[in-house]
Amino acid sequence: DTGVSQDPRHKITKRGQNVTFRCDPISEHNRLYWYRQTLGQGPEFLTYFQNEAQLEKSRLLSDRFSAERPKGSFSTLEIQRTEQGDSAMYLCASSIAGQETQYFGPGTRLLVL
Amino acid sequence: EDKVVQSPLSLVVHEGDTVTLNCSYEVTNFRSLLWYKQEKKAPTFLFMLTSSGIEKKSGRLSSILDKKELSSILNITATQTGDSAIYLCAVNNAGNNRKLIWGLGTSLGVNP
Repeated sequence: DTGVSQDPRHKITKRGQNVTFRCDPISEHNRLYWYRQTLGQGPEFLTYFQNEAQLEKSRLLSDRFSAERPKGSFSTLEIQRTEQGDSAMYLCASSIAGQETQYFGPGTRLLVL
Repeated sequence: EDKVVQSPLSLVVHEGDTVTLNCSYEVTNFRSLLWYKQEKKAPTFLFMLTSSGIEKKSGRLSSILDKKELSSILNITATQTGDSAIYLCAVNNAGNNRKLIWGLGTSLGVNP
């Protein structure tokens, strides 16, 4: 399968714990995006990378969130000291720079108890 | 502030009906408009529209952009139960082409 993959698909954690999600983009895509989606809402932009450079981070994102893409391929999104409000679907998408179409992975559904 | 508004928010139809979903936008330096279908998983890409009046078609789905009216419609003919999903519209502006501005989506239910 050459699509975007995400791991894990589901995560249940207790409030205060740290969680880390992984995204593997389509291999030739140099842009990678993280979104968060809650029920009844469209995807909310979190951050994006072009190759290994993190070019933008949403102002809505607290300091508990951090993302990396160290080698310009896969990316990780870490949430520290999780809160119940962090419960959501975390989506990763990739694209080729200059082409607007983004292709999404299956998402990681996070539940914070 | 850039925004994308979709209507209706939800609708339910019978199999075989034709539906039209609407997306209107207010963005600076419009570049493109994209339609996605989302079932229980992540959004899947349907169409990207950049020019007014040119219809994009894929099977029973078609879409067209009207830049004068700052809107787009997505048509689905002869609906099937498998068309039940949330249909999301997103807009990309030329000055901000690294992220998409999303509407809330239209939830479509198709009853047999």
